[in-house]
Order: sequence, then C-alpha cells, then structure tokens
Amino acid sequence: EPEVTQTPSHQVTQMGQEVILRCVPISNHLYFYWYRQILGQKVEFLVSFYNNEISEKSEIFDDQFSVERPDGSNFTLKIRSTKLEDSAMYFCASRDRDRREKLFFGSGTQLSVL
Amino acid sequence: AQSVTQPDIHITVSEGASLELRCNYSYGATPYLFWYVQSPGQGLQLLLKYFSGDTLVQGIKGFEAEFKRSQSSFNLRKPSVHWSDAAEYFCAVGANVFGNEKLTFGTGTRLTIIP
Repeated sequence: EPEVTQTPSHQVTQMGQEVILRCVPISNHLYFYWYRQILGQKVEFLVSFYNNEISEKSEIFDDQFSVERPDGSNFTLKIRSTKLEDSAMYFCASRDRDRREKLFFGSGTQLSVL
Repeated sequence: AQSVTQPDIHITVSEGASLELRCNYSYGATPYLFWYVQSPGQGLQLLLKYFSGDTLVQGIKGFEAEFKRSQSSFNLRKPSVHWSDAAEYFCAVGANVFGNEKLTFGTGTRLTIIP
C-alpha cells in the first residue's frame, strides 16, 4: 500500500527557533492535512490544503504556522518561532479526490521544544 | 461542535478473548465515523468507517463496529484478539459536508494483550 512519508521522525529544537516539518504525500493525492497530538491528549486537526491554498484551519493554526507545497512532491509545515507548548507529534495526511473517506497518515514527526 | 469520547484509556485482554472498545460522539447531524489504529512508531491506519446504510460495518483485521444513533455510540469489536492487535485505537468523527475534511479524534484507548 502506498505511504505518506514524514521526515525527520524526531526533531529537537530550542524555543524561539524556526522548524520545518516535511512530508511527502502519496503521489496522486490532491488534499493534504496536518494534525498534531500533544502527549496524552487527542489528535487535533491543524490545517487542510488543496489547490495550493489553505481550505480550512483550526484555532491552533495561528500566524506562527504556515504550510507550503514548494514542489510537486513535498508538503511542509513551518513553525516560525517555536514555543514549549508546540512539543507534540505532528502527523501529515493526504487523500485523493475521489476517496474522501480514506485519509492516509504518515508515521509522524515528534517535535521536542526545549 | 463535534466531539468524541473514549471512556477507556487502557484495556487489557487475553489473547483469544473478545474485545469491545467504546466510543461515544456528539454531532448535530448524521456523522461520519471512523476507527483508526496506531501501532508503535507507525502512522494512523484506518480500520473501518461508517457513512450511511448498514449500521454494522466490517473493517480490516477482523474488526467490526456498530453505529447506534439512539446511544450516540460507535463501538469497535473483535471476537478473538491476537497479540498483534496491541496498539492504540482512536475513534473519530468527521463533518458530513465534505466527509473527512476535518476529523475530531477521541483521546484513544491503549490495548494490551496478555498471553
């Protein structure tokens, strides 16, 4: 089965630094998402992205966050100035146009902000 | 706003025993309901989903779930668990306008299997 790939699997950064989390969605997919899971808490929706623009975002996704599809294969999440509370597992997901019921999730990037 | 409650944080069952994981949801209209499984170091894998029609849905790995509107529940079941079923299980509800454009997850239930 095709996979969504996320790199790195674990990233450590200092508070106030910028981080970029990278995702390679499945090649023919058109809809892309970021979710996150703070340790011990729920998986939370951050943002959805289609046709090179954000289609929906949550309250969590403030001005410190941005997403980009810089080329035909990558989908990135940038946090401009990380805070301690940004420490979480970040999941990328994608789906194709027709199978709306099936999101494919990556294995996640564990972000630790010190 | 939609919400999901998984009342059991951790469940332990013996290999070969039956399993039921509970999920209750809150949503103003007909929900789209999902169960995902997460094995250690892995992403979220879709086990099964309910959109409409037959309220008993079959999924992968021998799992099934039943949608009960009167109880706002979507419990996951398996008649006989295997050691490989040990994982974290998440119930989720999606807005029914665009399907799973935005999923709301429960806090998860960690399943431990004992020999």
